[in-house]
Amino acid sequence: SQKIEQNSEALNIQEGKTATLTCNYTNYSPAYLQWYRQDPGRGPVFLLLIRENEKEKRKERLKVTFDTTLKQSLFHITASQPADSATYLCAPRGADKLIFGTGTRLQVFP
Amino acid sequence: KAGVTQTPRYLIKTRGQQVTLSCSPISGHRSVSWYQQTPGQGLQFLFEYFSETQRNKGNFPGRFSGRQFSNSRSEMNVSTLELGDSALYLCASSLGVIPREAFFGQGTRLTVV
Repeated sequence: SQKIEQNSEALNIQEGKTATLTCNYTNYSPAYLQWYRQDPGRGPVFLLLIRENEKEKRKERLKVTFDTTLKQSLFHITASQPADSATYLCAPRGADKLIFGTGTRLQVFP
Repeated sequence: KAGVTQTPRYLIKTRGQQVTLSCSPISGHRSVSWYQQTPGQGLQFLFEYFSETQRNKGNFPGRFSGRQFSNSRSEMNVSTLELGDSALYLCASSLGVIPREAFFGQGTRLTVV
């Protein structure tokens, strides 16, 4: 069955550093992959979408890579800020539906 | 423009009862998906509707059902509630047949006692 793996352990980094989150998927080939941010008690918020024919996508301090050979996406936040603290979800999409990983909690401390 | 609206925000029900949750998508969005979120399982896909037709269904028992109306509003129903149904239920709307960016509502927090 389709499986998505994100590091379940929280990632703690210091303000100003680059945070790197990993998303691995197995048993399917998503046409594109999305990243969302979720704050406690709120619905996820869309951040970035990257297609299978794109290697890298950037938006302000965010960068996403998509390696279809490794079946992996990396999500980077440069110059991280305490306001970036949240849970980040990856969502690879196959032909039929959007499936979410369990998310990685990022904590940026001053 | 107004975002995705889910009602009610909080709900407490007793085992064995049934519950109906409502989702109003962003104006112009015709695709609505439902997810169940629990601490241990993360976001689990329930079903997806487009133009009143169910396009996809997740691996949930038949107690979970949904529908979409002609104005794209959607409802999901859970019958014979179990304690394990306690979760945050999220609705997301998107523009097209193959959703790209999904816009989520605040969710309905269901507690079954």
